[in-house]
Amino acid sequence: DAGVIQSPRHEVTEMGQEVTLRCKPISGHNSLFWYRQTMMRGLELLIYFNNNVPIDDSGMPEDRFSAKMPNASFSTLKIQPSEPRDSAVYFCASSTRDRGTDTQYFGPGTRLTVL
Amino acid sequence: DAKTTQPTSMDCAEGRAANLPCNHSTISGNEYVYWYRQIHSQGPQYIIHGLKNNETNEMASLIITEDRKSSTLILPHATLRDTAVYYCIVSKGGSEKLVFGKGTKLTVNP
Repeated sequence: DAGVIQSPRHEVTEMGQEVTLRCKPISGHNSLFWYRQTMMRGLELLIYFNNNVPIDDSGMPEDRFSAKMPNASFSTLKIQPSEPRDSAVYFCASSTRDRGTDTQYFGPGTRLTVL
Repeated sequence: DAKTTQPTSMDCAEGRAANLPCNHSTISGNEYVYWYRQIHSQGPQYIIHGLKNNETNEMASLIITEDRKSSTLILPHATLRDTAVYYCIVSKGGSEKLVFGKGTKLTVNP
């Protein structure tokens, strides 16, 4: 089975530009998570969806960040306008129930560089 | 905040067992112990999880103490490809988010 698919794998943009990151979860998984990883802050959860509905967006840094999940097989994370401090690796994960609890499976990540 | 304590780094010889400890003294009765690892530049990879009993799969074994305050991840025959940062996480599972700490950087040496 294909794992979690993320695109693009690398993105370089200039400050002020809009950036859209994409994620296709594993088929049949009903929860989707967006994480961000930086050297300073490590791996932190931004937002997660359950059955396409946003459940917890308390990790979203500010209004410049938005996430959508229009259907069970696709999600986007948008940054508008982007800033250099948004440079990080963004991971998407989806989860399935396994022996009584949910197990998350991560995609390869999108490395974002904002100049 | 992460609810686990792990050593910052460990070394292991190739072919030997790697035993990675984790303390989670404040774990509650309905929280699971999860282990993930992250190989350089890749997404975190699920390894194993458990509640009370010891668990084994094709990747590793998880030993949880009877009082559940600590656990050990065992890679029975470490290879160079097992060099990674290993994260021990406690979570209720379900829709609860995973909180990643700093993990243990395991280096497998030839």
